[in-house]
Amino acid sequence: ETGVTQSPTHLIKTRGQQVTLRCSSQSGHNTVSWYQQALGQGPQFIFQYYREEENGRGNFPPRFSGLQFPNYSSELNVNALELDDSALYLCASGETGTGFVGYTFGSGTRLTVV
Amino acid sequence: AQSVTQLGSHVSVSEGALVLLRCNYSSSVPPYLFWYVQYPNQGLQLLLKYTSAATLVKGINGFEAEFKKSETSFHLTKPSAHMSDAAEYFCAVSSTEGTYKYIFGTGTRLKVLA
Repeated sequence: ETGVTQSPTHLIKTRGQQVTLRCSSQSGHNTVSWYQQALGQGPQFIFQYYREEENGRGNFPPRFSGLQFPNYSSELNVNALELDDSALYLCASGETGTGFVGYTFGSGTRLTVV
Repeated sequence: AQSVTQLGSHVSVSEGALVLLRCNYSSSVPPYLFWYVQYPNQGLQLLLKYTSAATLVKGINGFEAEFKKSETSFHLTKPSAHMSDAAEYFCAVSSTEGTYKYIFGTGTRLKVLA
């Protein structure tokens, strides 16, 4: 098991720009989820991919989009960045279904929008 | 709908004292419950999980939690606090089918006093 790795670790973008965050999930995990954690708050569910198909979405606008690839990697894309998008973005992977034992989280990408 | 309430955004204990972090949940379906720990500028590390097996769950670093359906609670305890336990703790609930997405509480920051 190699765990969940995210890149980059830190990123500074200007309001209105677009950003792509990347995640490499744990091998064998069929599900990847993305969460946004604003400063001093708990993580908020953005969306989730199961076997490369989106199968759940939180209360985030369409400018938040994603992809999951067959090689256990995934992306979170955010268009038209706003100042409120500044947060820690967490990727989590797991094997959902019978025998679900929880998600493994990456260390996150700290996005600052100026 | 599911929700999580963590009572006490900040908890301070003396080194060697009992740690008690409270988590109450609301769920219309049988839930899975999790406790995660987050150290500064890091991702989330799974401490323990309740996935409908034993109601008393033992985790890493000496932590344990008890699932009490009648009280809708899943409080986290540790008999003797250590300085290294100082961190942010998050309780999360998920459904036992479907997306298995997490709903997190707002977190409790644990401070350990020497």
